Amino acid sequence: EAGVVQSPRYKIIEKKQPVAFWCNPISGHNTLYWYLQNLGQGPELLIRYENEEAVDDSQLPKDRFSAERLKGVDSTLKIQPAELGDSAVYLCASSRGGTGAEQYFGPGTRLTVT
Amino acid sequence: QKEVEQNSGPLSVPEGAIASLNCTYSDRGSQSFFWYRQYSGKSPELIMFIYSNGDKEDGRFTAQLNKASQYVSLLIRDSQPSDSATYLCAVLAGNNRKLIWGLGTSLAVNP
Repeated sequence: EAGVVQSPRYKIIEKKQPVAFWCNPISGHNTLYWYLQNLGQGPELLIRYENEEAVDDSQLPKDRFSAERLKGVDSTLKIQPAELGDSAVYLCASSRGGTGAEQYFGPGTRLTVT
Repeated sequence: QKEVEQNSGPLSVPEGAIASLNCTYSDRGSQSFFWYRQYSGKSPELIMFIYSNGDKEDGRFTAQLNKASQYVSLLIRDSQPSDSATYLCAVLAGNNRKLIWGLGTSLAVNP
């Protein structure tokens, strides 16, 4: 079974530029999560999808962040414009079922904003 | 008080010893508990999960729940240098069904 796929693995951009991350979950996993992780911290949930519906986006900074999961499979997270403080690792995870189910993470995208 | 707390460590144990990692949680209604291992520069990897109905053993790993004291433990028997990593505890909050993460405990297994 293929794992969660993310791209790109690394991204360096200048502040105020846009950036997008892509995630393809494990086949059959209807729940998809986007997390942000800073060094020495645990993952912080940005948004959770159940199929194509965003059921928890309370921690997503909606002034600059957006996400979509149009067909209930792969997803894109966008930041526009990026700020220096957005430098972090962006993790995508998926699970079969809701939040109580085991989550499996992709390799992450390390974003550096200069 | 944080909702999920872990000692940041580092916890240092000799090879072959038992490593004991603890995680305390504040929501008494929590029913699902997860342990993830994260190597430096890598993403979290699920290694154990238990529910409120009991402990669980998988190979060298044992997860134990103490509901009265509201903590969950991860025991690693016969620790190996390859077990050196950060161990993240995650607890499913009872009311809003949100997974609450600890900051992780750094484990170093010395040869």
